[in-house]
Amino acid sequence: DTGVSQNPRHKITKRGQNVTFRCDPISEHNRLYWYRQTLGQGPEFLTYFQNEAQLEKSRLLSDRFSAERPKGSFSTLEIQRTEQGDSAMYLCASSLTSGGLYNEQFFGPGTRLTVL
Amino acid sequence: RKEVEQDPGPFNVPEGATVAFNCTYSNSASQSFFWYRQDCRKEPKLLMSVYSSGNEDGRFTAQLNRASQYISLLIRDSKLSDSATYLCVVNVGSGGYQKVTFGIGTKLQVIP
Repeated sequence: DTGVSQNPRHKITKRGQNVTFRCDPISEHNRLYWYRQTLGQGPEFLTYFQNEAQLEKSRLLSDRFSAERPKGSFSTLEIQRTEQGDSAMYLCASSLTSGGLYNEQFFGPGTRLTVL
Repeated sequence: RKEVEQDPGPFNVPEGATVAFNCTYSNSASQSFFWYRQDCRKEPKLLMSVYSSGNEDGRFTAQLNRASQYISLLIRDSKLSDSATYLCVVNVGSGGYQKVTFGIGTKLQVIP
C-alpha cells in the first residue's frame, strides 16, 4: 500500500500523559499536513511542512503540541500533558506541490485519541 | 463570521433526486476551491476541484461565484452510495505560504 499511513490508529491515554503519533506520507510528496477533527466538525488545520521546514502553525497548536519532520519524510506529532479536550481524530495528509499551486491532499486513516 | 460556512444538514433525499449544496467563504483572497467527500469514520477524499468556469464530472457539477464568494456542488440522479459528508475546502496563498480551511461538512443521506 503506497498511501499515507498513520500509527497508531487508536490511542487511549490518561490525562497528563504525553502521546506521539507518526505519519508516513506518500514517498514523493513534499508537503505534509496535520489536522484535528472532532465529531460533527470538519478537519481543523494544525500545521504543515514543506520538506523538513515547518511553514505554518495554527493558533490551535498550543505549546503542548509539537510536530517534526526531521528528514522531510515521516512526521511526528507530540502532545504533552494531554487534556480531555485533546480527544479527537488526528489526520495527516500529504501532497506533491509544484509551482506554488495547491495540489490534491491525500489523507491517512487518522489516529483516534481518547484522553480519559 | 466563519472563514468557510456550510449547512451541516442532514439532507435526506430519495434516490434519483438532484441535490445542491452551497459553501460560502469570507476571504476574498481565496484562490482555490475543492469539494472533498468523507464517509463515516473514514478519511476525506478529493471529490473535485472547483474552477472559475465551473466543471462537471459525471453526475457532479461544481461552480464558483467569486462575486458572491460561494461555491456549489450539484449532484444529479443521486445514488445510495452518494451518502456521505461533503466538505468544502478553501485555499488561500501560494508558494511557501498556504492556508487551507475546511468547512464543517454537509451530510447527505440518500434514501431508497
